Amino acid sequence: ILNVEQSPQSLHVQEGDSTNFTCSFPSSNFYALHWYRWETAKSPEALFVMTLNGDEKKKGRISATLNTKEGYSYLYIKGSQPEDSATYLCAFMTGGSYIPTFGRGTSLIVHP
Amino acid sequence: DVKVTQSSRYLVKRTGEKVFLECVQDMDHENMFWYRQDPGLGLRLIYFSYDVKMKEKGDIPEGYSVSREKKERFSLILESASTNQTSMYLCAAAGATQETQYFGPGTRLLVL
Repeated sequence: ILNVEQSPQSLHVQEGDSTNFTCSFPSSNFYALHWYRWETAKSPEALFVMTLNGDEKKKGRISATLNTKEGYSYLYIKGSQPEDSATYLCAFMTGGSYIPTFGRGTSLIVHP
Repeated sequence: DVKVTQSSRYLVKRTGEKVFLECVQDMDHENMFWYRQDPGLGLRLIYFSYDVKMKEKGDIPEGYSVSREKKERFSLILESASTNQTSMYLCAAAGATQETQYFGPGTRLLVL
C-alpha cells in the first residue's frame, strides 16, 4: 500500500485568509496527482490533475503546484470564502495503474 | 459530464441481512470503483472493475462482493451485514485514458 499523506488534517481560517496545504507521495514511479474537493452532502469533484514536475494549475482562487522529484504537491486558496469549506483530497497514481491511492484529506472550515 | 448515481442516500439494515448497493454511470467508462469512507481513515478501496464481469479486490474486500453484469452498473454486496460495515460508501467511474474519478453522491449505511 502506497503512503500518501496530507497535512494538516484540519484547518480553520477566517474569511479572506489565504491558506495552503500539502500532499506528500512516493517520488518514484510517478504518473499523476489528482486533487478533489468534497463538500458536505455532495460528491467529491475533481479540481486538478497534474502530471509533470513543476506543473502549476489554477482555477479561480485555487491553485496547485507539483514537485515529483521530492514527492509533494501544494494546494493554495487565496482569499478563502465560506463556500471553500470542504475536505480536500489528493490522489496519487503510479505508472501502469489506474487505481488511485487517496490521502486522508484536509478538512478546511472558513469562518465568516 | 459523467453522471454517477447510487441507489440510496441512506440505508438502515440489521445485522445478518444481505445488502445491495447499486451504482450506475452514464458515460460508458470502463473502470468502476467502490470505496468506503470512515472518519480519520479517508477513502479506502473495496473493489474495482475494469470491464464487464471483471473485478479485482481492493485494500479491504473482506465481507464484500461485487457484480458487474453491464458496463454501466456496478453493484456492491454485503452478504451478511455486520455493525463494522456501518460507513459511507462511494462509487466512482473513470475512463481508461482519463483516470479522473467521477463520484456518486454516496450511500450512508447504518447496520444495527
